[in-house]
Amino acid sequence: GAGVSQSPSNKVTEKGKDVELRCDPISGHTALYWYRQRLGQGLEFLIYFQGNSAPDKSGLPSDRFSAERTGESVSTLTIQRTQQEDSAVYLCASSLVTDYNQPQHFGDGTRLSIL
Amino acid sequence: AQSVSQHNHHVILSEAASLELGCNYSYGGTVNLFWYVQYPGQHLQLLLKYFSGDPLVKGIKGFEAEFIKSKFSFNLRKPSVQWSDTAEYFCAVNALGSGNTGKLIFGQGTTLQVKP
Repeated sequence: GAGVSQSPSNKVTEKGKDVELRCDPISGHTALYWYRQRLGQGLEFLIYFQGNSAPDKSGLPSDRFSAERTGESVSTLTIQRTQQEDSAVYLCASSLVTDYNQPQHFGDGTRLSIL
Repeated sequence: AQSVSQHNHHVILSEAASLELGCNYSYGGTVNLFWYVQYPGQHLQLLLKYFSGDPLVKGIKGFEAEFIKSKFSFNLRKPSVQWSDTAEYFCAVNALGSGNTGKLIFGQGTTLQVKP
């Protein structure tokens, strides 16, 4: 597709369940970022992928959060044993190259609600 | 730690009014600066960016921003807003230097409501 695609668009789950969020970046984009936006706040960086390696995981809030990426394609963000404070919109962004002078293109996000 | 502060959380203007949204960041080194916009029901889109050169940058839809290094500021301006500018606006910074991964540090966002 033309843009970054994320699925599902909405996810409601019970506290304690695991969830998996998916991101399809723009074809050819080697850099991929996950961000989180909690209600009334700005976006918080979670993790950065260059290809299928993650040189910056500094934003992951706890060991319940993990992510992986297959080659230079799909990435999944997994949250284990979800808590209510995990409720947020999870956004994925991709960019073309690694010189950081390329803008990031964002998906529509996954709205995660923990009951 | 690096941070970005947007001074106005909610701004209400009438059409044709002028707009200025404040953005300050905390980082002593070289930065790339961005303004992103999110229209209702849409994804974040890049409005404009500053990497180097002329500190006054122009973006889409008549927006511009000025980088003032001495004030660590990157304020967004538009001389005359339209109803269609109703959206949420985010300032973001990428701190350059060793270990840079291109990650963006975002401000809290400013909701702009333009009354017709």
